[in-house]
Amino acid sequence: ETGVTQTPRHLVMGMTNKKSLKCEQHLGHNAMYWYKQSAKKPLELMFVYSLEERVENNSVPSRFSPECPNSSHLFLHLHTLQPEDSALYLCASSQGTSVPYEQYFGPGTRLTVT
Amino acid sequence: LAKTTQPISMDSYEGQEVNITCSHNNIATNDYITWYQQFPSQGPRFIIQGYKTKVTNEVASLFIPADRKSSTLSLPRVSLSDTAVYYCLVGERYSTLTFGKGTMLLVSP
Repeated sequence: ETGVTQTPRHLVMGMTNKKSLKCEQHLGHNAMYWYKQSAKKPLELMFVYSLEERVENNSVPSRFSPECPNSSHLFLHLHTLQPEDSALYLCASSQGTSVPYEQYFGPGTRLTVT
Repeated sequence: LAKTTQPISMDSYEGQEVNITCSHNNIATNDYITWYQQFPSQGPRFIIQGYKTKVTNEVASLFIPADRKSSTLSLPRVSLSDTAVYYCLVGERYSTLTFGKGTMLLVSP
């Protein structure tokens, strides 16, 4: 248990569905991240939300839409996904985006797009 | 951004010490070295982080030579549960840290 929770843990959705992934951190951190890990590929940073910066990976398709209503919650809204979007989606948090603060990951949401 | 190179895989036996070396020849002045561990279908777990010399915590040690162009993660007396992928990352902001393929450590009985 890292203090970062993600729901749901598993999600199967069709290409026309709309769903949202939720992340919550109980660590008092002020930076949160979304990562994508496809099969046999390195983790890819998708989005960063913090007081210091907001980063959006330009290679992330617009069918992924992040929302960060406060420093403890982060959502990833999904719509019109493609089968290649099937992956493990990981949320992380840290106290600021600069090292040497530690970064904590949640358990991930396993997404399957059919 | 500093590029890192680490072995694709390593094998060890229970009870042995394992050292995983990461090369980062173009490390910048403000960059830190961070190591993560990841089990299948789980999020990475922060192991240790350092800037120079030696850092030790309850699970590992990190050795960084004076030129900082490489670093070595040392896992003392590994067990089967240490079988995982280990990532070495170099940078000063998490927004720019890049995960590579990591090192797959297999610990056998």
